[in-house]
Amino acid sequence: GENVEQHPSTLSVQEGDSAVIKCTYSDSASNYFPWYKQELGKRPQLIIDIRSNVGEKKDQRIAVTLNKTAKHFSLHITETQPEDSAVYFCAASRWGYSTLTFGKGTMLLVSP
Amino acid sequence: DAGVTQSPTHLIKTRGQQVTLRCSPKSGHDTVSWYQQALGQGPQFIFQYYEEEERQRGNFPDRFSGHQFPNYSSELNVNALLLGDSALYLCASSLDRERRSNEKLFFGSGTQLSVL
Repeated sequence: GENVEQHPSTLSVQEGDSAVIKCTYSDSASNYFPWYKQELGKRPQLIIDIRSNVGEKKDQRIAVTLNKTAKHFSLHITETQPEDSAVYFCAASRWGYSTLTFGKGTMLLVSP
Repeated sequence: DAGVTQSPTHLIKTRGQQVTLRCSPKSGHDTVSWYQQALGQGPQFIFQYYEEEERQRGNFPDRFSGHQFPNYSSELNVNALLLGDSALYLCASSLDRERRSNEKLFFGSGTQLSVL
């Protein structure tokens, strides 16, 4: 089955800096790669996603890049703010949007 | 428009007991998936229900079973609870991918199960 590795496990940045979280996947047939943000005690919320026919996608301060050949995808957050502090999960799927394999998460801490 | 709702929010059980968790999908959604999230880990797929049938299943033992009702709501049942079953159980809903390929997966806030 699919295996998703996520790095780093924790990431501390100063407000205004950029943050990058990287994931690798094992199943070359995976075709959908979402990113979820989970604040303490709250539900995971989808923040951005990308399909395998696209190399990059941006939404304001958030961008995701995908390298199908290397089976890597990354989340980029620019101009970080304290409210960006949360755990971020990457995921991959080959069967559609609901059967996701998640990484172990990255705790992002943004200091004022 | 209500999102995905789960009940109860917290539950304490002892080893060997049985538990039932409930989920109502987001309005308009017809597919329900269940995930287990252990402390400090990412969610792990348990199974998915569509048209009242289990459509896909992850690597979980038969102690984990489920049901979907005609109104699309769902239950997760766990028998013979083990200490290792302590986790946050997340329900997520979506619209069947064959009909609306741009629909996303929406999560509920989860049920925190503690097995003592």
